[in-house]
Amino acid sequence: RKEVEQDPGPFNVPEGATVAFNCTYSNSASQSFFWYRQDCRKEPKLLMSVYSSGNEDGRFTAQLNRASQYISLLIRDSKLSDSATYLCVVFSGYALNFGKGTSLLVTP
Amino acid sequence: DARVTQTPRHKVTEMGQEVTMRCQPILGHNTVFWYRQTMMQGLELLAYFRNRAPLDDSGMPKDRFSAEMPDATLATLKIQPSEPRDSAVYFCASGLGTMNTGELFFGEGSRLTVL
Repeated sequence: RKEVEQDPGPFNVPEGATVAFNCTYSNSASQSFFWYRQDCRKEPKLLMSVYSSGNEDGRFTAQLNRASQYISLLIRDSKLSDSATYLCVVFSGYALNFGKGTSLLVTP
Repeated sequence: DARVTQTPRHKVTEMGQEVTMRCQPILGHNTVFWYRQTMMQGLELLAYFRNRAPLDDSGMPKDRFSAEMPDATLATLKIQPSEPRDSAVYFCASGLGTMNTGELFFGEGSRLTVL
């Protein structure tokens, strides 16, 4: 079983829609949590950290539920440029463990 | 603009050949990772260095893979002999400190095809 599990999608949504991605992790001792974004045939890049109290960065909201070992990412008012794969990432000790990613396609 | 540099960007080789991938981490970064990405497995951690010392390479098939950091500006990943199942994108990434901030900078990747 992978340490970080995500629904692979794809999620196809129209511009302006709100979309949410979920992720679960297996190591209860995990310390930090992040979302990365990966465009097609490009390298992953850090999108945002996920804090216990929840946090926003513009149209993006990340939440963490340590009791359920569950992380979420909400994108409001989605743009065409949001089309990408979103990787849930968990830091456990020394390395970042990546989920396989959830693919998002925003259509006109 | 500081970036992680990987070579080669693309490599096509035949089964049994040796493949060497190189990475120049961002100047000043003291942690270096090698990841492999495939459609089936996603991003898998192969090896991890801090201050040039190998801390974990448990994700690598030891019989054919080796990773080294001969100096602070160069990390290498070698496959000998290569097999078709090694076909993947190999990413090098660098960061600073213990990585609990999550800020890891990836290179553009080396896309390997083994025939």
